Amino acid sequence: DTEVTQTPKHLVMGMTNKKSLKCEQHMGHRAMYWYKQKAKKPPELMFVYSYEKLSINESVPSRFSPECPNSSLLNLHLHALQPEDSALYLCASSQVVGDRGQDTQYFGPGTRLTVL
Amino acid sequence: DQQVKQNSPSLSVQEGRISILNCDYTNSMFDYFLWYKKYPAEGPTFLISISSIKDKNEDGRFTVFLNKSAKHLSLHIVPSQPGDSAVYFCAAAAPATPLVFGKGTRLSVIA
Repeated sequence: DTEVTQTPKHLVMGMTNKKSLKCEQHMGHRAMYWYKQKAKKPPELMFVYSYEKLSINESVPSRFSPECPNSSLLNLHLHALQPEDSALYLCASSQVVGDRGQDTQYFGPGTRLTVL
Repeated sequence: DQQVKQNSPSLSVQEGRISILNCDYTNSMFDYFLWYKKYPAEGPTFLISISSIKDKNEDGRFTVFLNKSAKHLSLHIVPSQPGDSAVYFCAAAAPATPLVFGKGTRLSVIA
């Protein structure tokens, strides 16, 4: 089973709203990732959690706040977003980070976010 | 600085023929390479990978070739099928660092 689930599938929010994206995996992976993807672009790494600790933050604005409550769950809290933040938000997981053969990332289906 | 480059934004191939997608990289620390396939509005799906200690890995219709001296890898799909039409991303990893993705190549398989 290589399934990563994400909810919601679609989200429309205003610039003053607070919302959260959720991601779950039950593969026993200890690394989880958030990516942002705009149309016709590759996934852009936002955050990496390794063993439930934030290990990489790619200079993401503070209006995006990640949280890893446990090894299976990853949240992305959104507040005061801008219309340019509209994108497909992808969650991924891998066994570990950067260890040959064990860092194959498995992606969820994504959340399509629209900020009005 | 683009460490992983997919220089062909698109490729069209007839059904039944071979599709060859190319990827070049610059970072000699990369030791693991992957190909992902992506349909619109979906997450990327892992396709096949290769470690730097190998030069070829095959899985059904998909074969990845790695030429370390040229810092080049390619994905061969044979025979190509209409369902293979998607965007293909090459990705590479160095030890203790996350994947770096290329910009993708859109493959269209024409029936």
